[in-house]
Amino acid sequence: AQSVTQLDSQVPVFEEAPVELRCNYSSSVSVYLFWYVQYPNQGLQLLLKYLSGSTLVKGINGFEAEFNKSQTSFHLRKPSVHISDTAEYFCAVSLTGNQFYFGTGTSLTVIP
Amino acid sequence: NAGVMQNPRHLVRRRGQEARLRCSPMKGHSHVYWYRQLPEEGLKFMVYLQKENIIDESGMPKERFSAEFPKEGPSILRIQQVVRGDSAAYFCASSRIPPGTNYNEQFFGPGTRLTVL
Repeated sequence: AQSVTQLDSQVPVFEEAPVELRCNYSSSVSVYLFWYVQYPNQGLQLLLKYLSGSTLVKGINGFEAEFNKSQTSFHLRKPSVHISDTAEYFCAVSLTGNQFYFGTGTSLTVIP
Repeated sequence: NAGVMQNPRHLVRRRGQEARLRCSPMKGHSHVYWYRQLPEEGLKFMVYLQKENIIDESGMPKERFSAEFPKEGPSILRIQQVVRGDSAAYFCASSRIPPGTNYNEQFFGPGTRLTVL
């Protein structure tokens, strides 16, 4: 079975500082990996995904993530955050692209 | 091209009543997924449907919950005899299979927030 662990439930960071949101997964087979962002009272929006190929994946809004198979991690990074990045971020894995397993989320708060 | 539509956005029910949540997938999408998000938790998969078929309902509670995706019209998630523990945000996602791949990117709707009094 697949599972996802997001180690940090809340991450406060000052505006224009870098940020890393951590995600570890467990699976006995190859999986697809995703990061979604959820703004208040809205649905989830796909930030980026890893399906295969290059382990460094670039997404929207300046975010990127690196797939590390040996550490079973898929951490999300941004070199300089903006106030508008304040949101909930979810890491997810999928074996087939049909059923997704989500982490419990990381609440990113950007401080002016 | 409108995104995934869900209605109502907010639904209040008293214990014992029925809740019906509707989801209209994106145009051209024939796959629908329902997820539940409890407070302070991530999304939990409930059910995956294609037109007129339930493909995977491994995440659905065994009682009181049902889902359908008829040939015409939106997908419906139905919760009978609601209890306070059913209070959550229910998200619908839709997808289509891009040619040449077995990966379905899911597009999420804004969710229905159910409150059971």
